[in-house]
Amino acid sequence: AQKVTQAQTEISVVEKEDVTLDCVYETRDTTYYLFWYKQPPSGELVFLIRRNSFDEQNEISGRYSWNFQKSTSSFNFTITASQVVDSAVYFCALSSSNSGNTPLVFGKGTRLSVIA
Amino acid sequence: SQTIHQWPATLVQPVGSPLSLECTVEGTSNPNLYWYRQAAGRGLQLLFYSVGIGQISSEVPQNLSASRPQDRQFILSSKKLLLSDSGFYLCAWSTGVQPQHFGDGTRLSIL
Repeated sequence: AQKVTQAQTEISVVEKEDVTLDCVYETRDTTYYLFWYKQPPSGELVFLIRRNSFDEQNEISGRYSWNFQKSTSSFNFTITASQVVDSAVYFCALSSSNSGNTPLVFGKGTRLSVIA
Repeated sequence: SQTIHQWPATLVQPVGSPLSLECTVEGTSNPNLYWYRQAAGRGLQLLFYSVGIGQISSEVPQNLSASRPQDRQFILSSKKLLLSDSGFYLCAWSTGVQPQHFGDGTRLSIL
């Protein structure tokens, strides 16, 4: 069975601090996709990144970076120099298929509060 | 570009009343469509997904049902709502290339 664990329920940081959101997954599939979504207070889910299981290169996009490590089944998300607008619930998710085009299994989310 | 529309944005219904939530996608064809529910303070749970017209897979047995009468239309229904049906309902679409993109959601409150 597939499972995504986000052990951090809530995190609070002061603006400009760096913060890492942890994600650990379980799957027996050799091909799978990992995702991060952001849910701001307005409620919609905003897609941030998709990574397939064969690509372990870390990725950086502006202040966001992602560290994928198959050896530890982790896909952690770091926000550098956090801002108040980063306050949201962040979800890690897993999908098993050749394209990631199957239902997502979500973690329970981590609520990030960035304090000015 | 592709867009997804979901309505209504909020809904307050009495226990035992029927439900119909609608989701439509524009700018793509033959998408996979999904309904998820997020209970207060909890993660997202897949309810239904569809790979084509008339093809519905149910993940959680309950008093909800889904239908896909057209390629880019996905409807979530109930004949009689329960208190436990309260939550935030999200529709999503994906294709072989695009990851899942979500609508703005419907906040459903059952009284």
